[in-house]
Amino acid sequence: QVQLQESGPGLVKPSETLSLTCTVSGGSINYYYWSWIRQPPGKGLEWIGYIYYTGNTRHNPSLKSRVTFSVNTSRNQFSLKLSSVTAADTAVYYCARDRNTDDAFDIWGQGTMVTVSS
Amino acid sequence: DIQMTQSPSSLSASVGDRVTITCQASQDITNYLNWYQQKPGKAPKLLIYDASNLETGVPLRFSGSGSGTDFTFTISSLQPEDIATYYCQQYGNLPLTFGGGTKVEIK
Repeated sequence: QVQLQESGPGLVKPSETLSLTCTVSGGSINYYYWSWIRQPPGKGLEWIGYIYYTGNTRHNPSLKSRVTFSVNTSRNQFSLKLSSVTAADTAVYYCARDRNTDDAFDIWGQGTMVTVSS
Repeated sequence: DIQMTQSPSSLSASVGDRVTITCQASQDITNYLNWYQQKPGKAPKLLIYDASNLETGVPLRFSGSGSGTDFTFTISSLQPEDIATYYCQQYGNLPLTFGGGTKVEIK
């Protein structure tokens, strides 16, 4: 079955760039949208944006232009970069498969905690 | 952005009770609504899609209904393993947005 695994630093300094990668195993990255979702400690879920396997992207305007997505179909991976981070970006970051027909997130990674601190 | 208002924010019920959670959208989203269950320390799990369709493998005690701006999620008979936070999520418009969550506890 398809599984997702996030990877990346757990600690990022303020004003620097957060970089995470999600590896898709057990299936192909093709023909799906792949989302990033985050959850600050003790709070709710926020959709960051998604990337299609072709490279088309959409992001949440709340993050302005700080977000960059990329996809590597040969490695079955997609990535997130969030620039100019502050303490408000401290959260668990999830990658998830977006089922195109209903924008339902049917497969999730386990999540990775990223703390922004000097 | 479409705002999703969930209520209540928390509830306490006994095993076997019927539990109902509501989700209201700030504008008409037809049936473009999904429901998730999140247990502590875990990723959310999809339960209901398109407002009322049960995801494969999800117990029949879970159900959803509604359309337009008002939606309901129901657990027909609360079980101890249902202790979790439940979220609605709309896909009527981008950005995709979630409700604030409802924490369900056992009385």
